Formats: sequence, C-alpha cells, structure tokens
Amino acid sequence: TQLLEQSPQFLSIQEGENLTVYCNSSSVFSSLQWYRQEPGEGPVLLVTVVTGGEVKKLKRLTFQFGDARKDSSLHITAAQTGDTGLYLCAVPSGNTPLVFGKGTRLSVIA
Amino acid sequence: DAGVTQSPTHLIKTRGQHVTLRCSPISGHKSVSWYQQVLGQGPQFIFQYYEKEERGRGNFPDRFSARQFPNYSSELNVNALLLGDSALYLCASSLGQGAGEAFFGQGTRLTVV
Repeated sequence: TQLLEQSPQFLSIQEGENLTVYCNSSSVFSSLQWYRQEPGEGPVLLVTVVTGGEVKKLKRLTFQFGDARKDSSLHITAAQTGDTGLYLCAVPSGNTPLVFGKGTRLSVIA
Repeated sequence: DAGVTQSPTHLIKTRGQHVTLRCSPISGHKSVSWYQQVLGQGPQFIFQYYEKEERGRGNFPDRFSARQFPNYSSELNVNALLLGDSALYLCASSLGQGAGEAFFGQGTRLTVV
C-alpha cells in the first residue's frame, strides 16, 4: 500500500489554464515536501509545509497542507509550458528520510 | 558552489554483473541518501549515510550495499544485477540526518540487459 496517493496520475492542459494536483494519505505527518522533476534530472524541492492549514505561495504555485496534516494540494495558476514535469510529494517516515508518492505527470501544451 | 554530482550518468550492464555508482555531495553536507526510481514511479529509498555510518536502509535485497568515505562522498554497489534493477539511481545530499532539505543529483541511468 502506498503511503502517499497522488492524483491525478497524468494531466495534460493548455497553456493559461489552472490546475490542482493532490497528495493524500491516511497518516499524519510532521511535514510534507513538494518536488518537481524534469526529464533526465533529479527532483528539485519546491516547498516544505509543516503546519496544518498552512498555505505557501511560490509565484503562480500555491501549496496547502491539510488541517489534519494528512494531505496536501498544489494549485498552479495560468500554467506555462515551463511548468511541465513530474510533481512529487514526499514525507519523512521513520528511518526513511523521504517517502515519495508516484507523482503527477503534468504536460502543458502551448 | 557545485551541486550534487553523480557518475556515471548512463551505464549499460549485463545480467549477473556488478555495478558501482558514485556520488559527491554538496560541500559541507554530511548526509547522503540513495534512491531508486523506476519508470513511472516516485523515487524509492535505498540507504542513508550520515557521518560515514549507515543510518537507514530501505526494503532492498542484500545485493545492494553502500558506503560513505571520509570526504562524505558515497558509493552504491549492486551485485548480481537483474533486469529489474534497471532504473534511475538518485543521490541526495543534505546537511544533517533529519528531514531537512534534500538536494538531488541528476542521477545515473542504469540499464541491465
């Protein structure tokens, strides 16, 4: 069973559209991280959220941590082709520094 | 400052062979973690080393081993390669052992034929 369930698995949208991707779990976490990974590269950290209900903004990206610290969402406003990539959520768990979800593969078409 | 560097970037091996992957962390970082990412999946934790000691191990067979050197660089070794070992192997560098920010290298793409 996956600790983190990400949805949707794939998403293809037109440039300028808005989108939201989700990271859900039945477990409670002390913190949650979002990464973006481009083809042929390693993941790059976008944000860390630590407080239930926390909202963080990074330019056109808005991250929210659920009140119960079990889930998180990433909203992108006016998507651009440069937003294309694999979006991964990850949490620390036990002796594991990071447990990742399977990711949402986003394709933004011009 | 150089980021996390991994070598080689690509590698093709035959079933049954052995492979060694290398990672140099960011200067000043003492923790190195290794992850395996198969196509269509998120990275899966293999090992963490901090201050040259193993601090965590994922659910991988004993064919996988690693070590960290006095300069904090690290090697991942895989023996008796299987086709299923084909994956992107990622190294992550961080300051400490805890759940802080991890910086990933670009990975080593291993293909087992």
